[in-house]
Amino acid sequence: DAGITQSPRHKVTETGTPVTLRCHQTENHRYMYWYRQDPGHGLRLIHYSYGVKDTDKGEVSDGYSVSRSKTEDFLLTLESATSSQTSVYFCAIRTGSQETQYFGPGTRLLVL
Amino acid sequence: AQSVTQPDIHITVSEGASLELRCNYSYGATPYLFWYVQSPGQGLQLLLKYFSGDTLVQGIKGFEAEFKRSQSSFNLRKPSVHWSDAAEYFCAVGEGTDKLIFGTGTRLQVFP
Repeated sequence: DAGITQSPRHKVTETGTPVTLRCHQTENHRYMYWYRQDPGHGLRLIHYSYGVKDTDKGEVSDGYSVSRSKTEDFLLTLESATSSQTSVYFCAIRTGSQETQYFGPGTRLLVL
Repeated sequence: AQSVTQPDIHITVSEGASLELRCNYSYGATPYLFWYVQSPGQGLQLLLKYFSGDTLVQGIKGFEAEFKRSQSSFNLRKPSVHWSDAAEYFCAVGEGTDKLIFGTGTRLQVFP
């Protein structure tokens, strides 16, 4: 257990509405990541953060933004949700060196 | 570009049988290599990892994996599968850029 929580765990929303997902960690890790998981695609990186206010894009960042105003929280925002963003979203933290990542329980998002 | 291939989408084995899940990667240098397991509705759990040294690594739940540089492979093995091993398994490669590249996963089904 790497002390990662995600909220909400489930969400149903409508196309065009903004959505914010929260990832919270309790162990002060510098690196945090947002992934989406879709059948046939495995996990794909959306954005990641390497410190407070330091973020970078992943391979599927279009339509998503992130913010990290304090070490423990990493927020993922869908500015205007689309049906293609229906997915399961996972947050992860990286511990120390060697790029080992540990994952949160996930958020299941349905965009109608 | 770096990539990870898991050629088997779905594998079915009988309980007690041996298991090998395949993973091939494309990367110029020696990568960091990982196997994760995901039970239905759950997050990803780290099974094992390879960074350097002994090419045969032991993980949790009786799993092991062998790094073969000549074949660019990191196959996961277990000598005797239990029904509780039914899950989806993901191979991942760390490419030294703070990010992991995931394969598309192999779903394991275990028959009694």
